[in-house]
Amino acid sequence: ETGVTQTPRHLVMGMTNKKSLKCEQHLGHNAMYWYKQSAKKPLELMFVYNFKEQTENNSVPSRFSPECPNSSHLFLHLHTLQPEDSALYLCASSQDQGEQFFGPGTRLTVL
Amino acid sequence: AQSVTQLDSQVPVFEEAPVELRCNYSSSVSVYLFWYVQYPNQGLQLLLKYLSGSTLVKGINGFEAEFNKSQTSFHLRKPSVHISDTAEYFCAVTRSGNTPLVFGKGTRLSVIA
Repeated sequence: ETGVTQTPRHLVMGMTNKKSLKCEQHLGHNAMYWYKQSAKKPLELMFVYNFKEQTENNSVPSRFSPECPNSSHLFLHLHTLQPEDSALYLCASSQDQGEQFFGPGTRLTVL
Repeated sequence: AQSVTQLDSQVPVFEEAPVELRCNYSSSVSVYLFWYVQYPNQGLQLLLKYLSGSTLVKGINGFEAEFNKSQTSFHLRKPSVHISDTAEYFCAVTRSGNTPLVFGKGTRLSVIA
């Protein structure tokens, strides 16, 4: 599946590091999403962007900072994370917030 | 607001046996319904969707689901499972409009040889 790509696929970082996750969609969609998937927890919607504008922020801590420079790219900037932030971070895109297409995810480990 | 309940967190089943994964939703308006599958270390892949029309929806890999408005259910079925069907399955709902998907907690299907 190459419709939605995510890099890197795996990331290990210390609590004082700054890193960024990247998502790119090649489907011409106008909405993009970040989700957090932790073990034994439901999928958590973090952020939603429509036409590059953020339309939802589900009480996400400020140590997560999204950026959407255009409809095809979405970033998640990370700084001073905690070990409990270790999870699979999934990016998705859709057209007018219908069916969502997911990327493979970035497996993040915070030491 | 919508919500989704997947009644079973884990479902073990023998190979070639039938399986049903249950999903119930709550919403005061009409909805679109989805089933996604997640294989280990991968993202979510769409299995099937109900938008309107026939209440029996056929998807990929031999799966089907039936939309039941009176019971607010959208259960997923397969008549004969394979080892390769072992994965996590997520039910999701959205309003017929401009709102994000709401996902259930997922059901882990384990197919036993």
